[in-house]
Amino acid sequence: QVTLKESGPVLVKPTETLTLTCTVSGFSLSNARLGVSWIRQPPGKALEWLAHIFSTDEKSYTTSLKSRLTISKDTSKSQVVLTMTNMGPVDTATYYCARTIAGDYYYYMDVWGKGTTVTVSS
Amino acid sequence: DIQMTQSPSSLSASVGDRVTITCRASQSISSYLNWYQQKPGKAPNLLIYAASSFQSGVPSRFSGSGSGTDFTLTISSLQPEDFATYYCQQSYSTSWTFGQGTKVEIK
Repeated sequence: QVTLKESGPVLVKPTETLTLTCTVSGFSLSNARLGVSWIRQPPGKALEWLAHIFSTDEKSYTTSLKSRLTISKDTSKSQVVLTMTNMGPVDTATYYCARTIAGDYYYYMDVWGKGTTVTVSS
Repeated sequence: DIQMTQSPSSLSASVGDRVTITCRASQSISSYLNWYQQKPGKAPNLLIYAASSFQSGVPSRFSGSGSGTDFTLTISSLQPEDFATYYCQQSYSTSWTFGQGTKVEIK
């Protein structure tokens, strides 16, 4: 059974750096066709894709936040880590990680974690 | 970034109705288009990938079509458990984007 679980702080202060961890099971981060994405959703708003990383260490970031995001993986621990610098109130959201499939003519996110809620406040 | 625009933003429908949601990309994305369903307080659930391919376990009343810039998600006969918000998402460019969502409510 494929599962993903997000973990990290519930509350961060403005200007701090957020570090979130996604721990996966049921698949390997070394699989050539598999990766992990991070997605967030502010309260009452739409989903926003943030970043992904694949087994080849190929990484991509959303354009608007590229300067603040870093994604990395530890295959031996089955973990993917996302850091976001200079947090502000607008970054308050539920953060999800999702398994990402890479095909010849498609990419999609097929299994999602339950999400972790992060509030930015002093 | 590629902008994804869904219409309508919300709709009211009855059980048994045929429902169609459209998604338009600001540039051609071939068939790199996925659809997700999200219920309140829950993580999104993949319905359709590559514009028209069914995700395993998804009821056959859901279908997707389109390519290039215009896509549709159709629910052939709306069921009570289908009342939710639906999102399209493009994976064509290096920076992926979602539509703003379409909320399907009970009429």
